[in-house]
Amino acid sequence: EVQLVDSGGGLVQPGGSLRLSCAGSGFSISTYDIHWVRQPTGKGLEWVSGMGSGGDTHYADSVKGRFTISRDTARNSLFLQMNSLTGGDTAVYYCTRKRPEYGMDVWGQGTTVTVSS
Amino acid sequence: DIQMTQSPSSLSASIGDRVTITCRASRDIYIYLAWYQQKPGGVPNLLIDHASTLQSGVPSRFSGSGSGTDFTLTISSLQTEDAAIYYCQKYDNSPLTFGGGTKVEIK
Repeated sequence: EVQLVDSGGGLVQPGGSLRLSCAGSGFSISTYDIHWVRQPTGKGLEWVSGMGSGGDTHYADSVKGRFTISRDTARNSLFLQMNSLTGGDTAVYYCTRKRPEYGMDVWGQGTTVTVSS
Repeated sequence: DIQMTQSPSSLSASIGDRVTITCRASRDIYIYLAWYQQKPGGVPNLLIDHASTLQSGVPSRFSGSGSGTDFTLTISSLQTEDAAIYYCQKYDNSPLTFGGGTKVEIK
């Protein structure tokens, strides 16, 4: 079965760091673009970051310089290192896959990040 | 960056009604437009990409149209299970911006 399992969320203090993981199964993540999308409680979807199949990386302006996306093809996993976290980063974070010129067809179940003192 | 504007932000319709949601891009995105459905407590689900290509398993009462800057999602005959929030998304290149969402409620 093709699926993504995201994990690593939790409660962190402002200014702290967290590392999210996204494990793929049933397909190779290196043959797809993998993205992170977040959703604050009761609000809409916001694209955060993505890595193309070729390893190119992209970031929303709101996280540029604070978040870093990476992957481990041997573990078929993608990661999002989040530093200098603020309350504005509080959200459910989803990893999702897409092929170039297609929509996001597989989504993880989401992992919750809460930034609070 | 290209902005995506959805309208209306919410609507209420009866079972069997025809429902139309619009999405406007601030610049030409050709047909690189996707629609997602998110039910309460659920994960977003891809309904349509390439502006009008219905995904496998999605009921045929859903359809998409448009190109360039103006796009439409239509539900031809609203069903109870269609109560959800619908998002458009441009995916020509980064940032992969979403619209603000349209909440569809059943009267």
